[in-house]
Amino acid sequence: GESVGLHLPTLSVQEGDNSIINCAYSNSASDYFIWYKQESGKGPQFIIDIRSNMDKRQGQRVTVLLNKTVKHLSLQIAATQPGDSAVYFCAERYQGAQKLVFGQGTRLTINP
Amino acid sequence: KAGVTQTPRYLIKTRGQQVTLSCSPISGHRSVSWYQQTPGQGLQFLFEYFSETQRNKGNFPGRFSGRQFSNSRSEMNVSTLELGDSALYLCASSPQGLAGGYEQYFGPGTRLTVT
Repeated sequence: GESVGLHLPTLSVQEGDNSIINCAYSNSASDYFIWYKQESGKGPQFIIDIRSNMDKRQGQRVTVLLNKTVKHLSLQIAATQPGDSAVYFCAERYQGAQKLVFGQGTRLTINP
Repeated sequence: KAGVTQTPRYLIKTRGQQVTLSCSPISGHRSVSWYQQTPGQGLQFLFEYFSETQRNKGNFPGRFSGRQFSNSRSEMNVSTLELGDSALYLCASSPQGLAGGYEQYFGPGTRLTVT
């Protein structure tokens, strides 16, 4: 499949462990954030979003944490499975803008 | 409900040619955005269309253009192709666009190779 990034940061975890993927965003005025997962040969897939008036949001096996003080976003994946192997992107929306700005991505690999 | 579809999936062109890519959004979605993805620059926003109007534009030269039809299907065109235009071009649809905070649903992309 297509390579989405040749020099992405890589996180390797054991199957069953929890994964934490971090993202530093750029604009203190951003008001909406999304995490996407991209598997080889596919387009990005929505995982979870969070608005700037929240600091935590939980989904199924995933939690997003937002720290506006240091402009930091994290994605926690519980009980990581082989199917979680992918590149993960954070994206921010500048307040009032109609576009998303994506981070460079992190490649998550799962060790059996 | 069918997902976002993009055609063609793969395309090879030579420098100086022009290309048109097509995107069919999820039924009922009125917003279509286009992104370029390369290993060096990552995912970069090209433009967004909503109800046949370009609502926002990224920092790309005028060689990159698009349009949206009344059925919400969208096309993007790149004229006078350059080697650096080789990339995965992704289309994303959403019900109302980012103004409403809705997530975007991406298609599988069109892999363009310029030789």
